[in-house]
Amino acid sequence: QKEVEQNSGPLSVPEGAIASLNCTYSDRGSQSFFWYRQYSGKSPELIMFIYSNGDKEDGRFTAQLNKASQYVSLLIRDSQPSDSATYLCAVEPLREKLTFGTGTRLTIIP
Amino acid sequence: GAVVSQHPSRVICKSGTSVKIECRSLDFQATTMFWYRQFPKQSLMLMATSNEGSKATYEQGVEKDKFLINHASLTLSTLTVTSAHPEDSSFYICSAKATEYNSPLHFGNGTRLTVT
Repeated sequence: QKEVEQNSGPLSVPEGAIASLNCTYSDRGSQSFFWYRQYSGKSPELIMFIYSNGDKEDGRFTAQLNKASQYVSLLIRDSQPSDSATYLCAVEPLREKLTFGTGTRLTIIP
Repeated sequence: GAVVSQHPSRVICKSGTSVKIECRSLDFQATTMFWYRQFPKQSLMLMATSNEGSKATYEQGVEKDKFLINHASLTLSTLTVTSAHPEDSSFYICSAKATEYNSPLHFGNGTRLTVT
C-alpha cells in the first residue's frame, strides 16, 4: 500500500511567522510532488509542484524535497490569515496515479 | 494556467432521480480525468479514473452502475449519479491533467449534490 502521510493538525501559526507543513511518502519510486490548498467547501487549488531534490521558491511559498528521506515540505513565509486552509500533499509514483495525504489544517492567528 | 470547468456547482434533486455532472478542460487536452468525492471534514476519495475513448476504471467499493462515467472527448468527461439517494449527497470534484508526463492535476470547482 503506497501511502502519503501528513499531520492532520490543526497547526496554528501567528500572523507573519513561517508555517511549516510536512509530508512523508512510502514509495521510493515517486517522481512528482505537489502541494494543494483547499479552503473549506471549495475544491483543491495547486500551490506548488517539485520534481527534483532541494528547494523551489515561488513568492512566499517554498517547497522542499528530500528523496533520500522520502520527505517533502511546504514553507509559507509571512503567513497571512488568508493562508488558513487545509493543505494537501500529493505524490505521483512512476506510471501510477496521484496519491493524496489526508491534509493538514492550518490556522493563521491574527 | 490550466482551467478545469465543472457544472453545475450545486444541485438539489429528489431521491430516485439521476444527476449529470460535466467536467471540461478549457485550455488543454486531457486524456485522463479523475472523479473524487469528499464528505464534510474528510479527505478526498478517488472514485474513478476516466480515460478518453475507453471505459472508466473504478476504485474498490465504487458502484460502476450507479456512477456512470463517460469520457467522450479529450476535453469532456461526465459523471452521472443514477437513482440518487440521500447518502449520495456529497461534494463531487473532477480533475484533469494534460497529456505531458509530470503535468500537475488541476481541479474543477466541484459540485455539491444534495439528495432529498
